[in-house]
Amino acid sequence: DAGVIQSPRHEVTEMGQEVTLRCKPISGHDYLFWYRQTMMRGLELLIYFNNNVPIDDSGMPEDRFSAKMPNASFSTLKIQPSEPRDSAVYFCASSLASGRSNEQFFGPGTRLTVL
Amino acid sequence: QQPVQSPQAVILREGEDAVINCSSSKALYSVHWYRQKHGEAPVFLMILLKGGEQKGHEKISASFNEKKQQSSLYLTASQLSYSGTYFCGTITGTASKLTFGTGTRLQVTL
Repeated sequence: DAGVIQSPRHEVTEMGQEVTLRCKPISGHDYLFWYRQTMMRGLELLIYFNNNVPIDDSGMPEDRFSAKMPNASFSTLKIQPSEPRDSAVYFCASSLASGRSNEQFFGPGTRLTVL
Repeated sequence: QQPVQSPQAVILREGEDAVINCSSSKALYSVHWYRQKHGEAPVFLMILLKGGEQKGHEKISASFNEKKQQSSLYLTASQLSYSGTYFCGTITGTASKLTFGTGTRLQVTL
């Protein structure tokens, strides 16, 4: 298996632009998680899905952030409009049924820089 | 609420042992341990479940004190490859939401 796939790996954009991050989870995994990592705030969970349904989006910082999972093999995280404080590494992870007792497999991350 | 890890950083010589602690203010269902090398994604090490079950790495051990809501990761006979930042993640209640700790930076030198 190729593991969790994320694209793009690097994104540089200007403030006010729309940014879309993409994730393909491991086939057969029922859970998908979006994390953001910064030096100041560490590794934070933004939102997670179970069987394509958003379960907890309490970590999404503002209405500028939105996430979708239209099918079991694809998810997007969108930021519109982007701001410099959104600069971070965004990770997508997936796990088997019962995310409570199964390891999460992380993708390589997308490094976002908002100028 | 974010679990607290200690120490924040530690430097070891190859072959030495280390203990990393993780403490939560909430009752825990499970504790997950991950290691992240610079510029890479976190990689799974171990899960400790309420009730004593463990899943994970053969060469790394950990403990889980449910009453104290604490977990410790034991790294014995450290190798250069152990260098990285170690994160504990906790799951409370019935959700699958993993809350990561502040991280412990470990550096192993010759």
